[in-house]
Amino acid sequence: AQSVTQPDIHITVSEGASLELRCNYSYGATPYLFWYVQSPGQGLQLLLKYFSGDTLVQGIKGFEAEFKRSQSSFNLRKPSVHWSDAAEYFCAVGANTGRRALTFGSGTRLQVQP
Amino acid sequence: DADVTQTPRNRITKTGKRIMLECSQTKGHDRMYWYRQDPGLGLRLIYYSFDVKDINKGEISDGYSVSRQAQAKFSLSLESAIPNQTALYFCATSDTSGTGSHEQYFGPGTRLTVT
Repeated sequence: AQSVTQPDIHITVSEGASLELRCNYSYGATPYLFWYVQSPGQGLQLLLKYFSGDTLVQGIKGFEAEFKRSQSSFNLRKPSVHWSDAAEYFCAVGANTGRRALTFGSGTRLQVQP
Repeated sequence: DADVTQTPRNRITKTGKRIMLECSQTKGHDRMYWYRQDPGLGLRLIYYSFDVKDINKGEISDGYSVSRQAQAKFSLSLESAIPNQTALYFCATSDTSGTGSHEQYFGPGTRLTVT
């Protein structure tokens, strides 16, 4: 079965500092990987996705993520955080074949200090 | 107009009542999903539907039922609501034709409180 672990429940960074949110997945083959963001009171918005090819993927709002097969990781990064990035971030894994839905991690809440 | 809509957006109901949450989409996607979100637990899958005649249980389907009335509509019912079903419920869609990407698009959510 596929699973996702986001080891950091809550992270606080200063505005302008760099950010890395961790995501580890468990899946038997090459997965589809996603990062979603949920702003307070909002639904989920896709930040970026990995299906195949270049392991460094660029997303919206200046985010990027790197797929590392050897580490079963798909960490999200941003070089300089803005106050508007304060939100909850979810990593998700999906099968590249078959009839499975996405499996989401438990989320990481990001707080940005001025 | 939003591509994925959910009604109602907020609902307070009493224990034992039957309640239906509705989801509609204009994206033309084949797959639809219902999730619930609880603090610290992320999103957990309740039911998903690959097309009108193909409905599947997710990891937490007990106490819930669904109906896929049309490709664009997928409703979630709580036959007899209980307080631990208090949560934020999300509907999502995806299109597996073409790229088969499984990328999901989410509605704005329904906040349900069971007293």
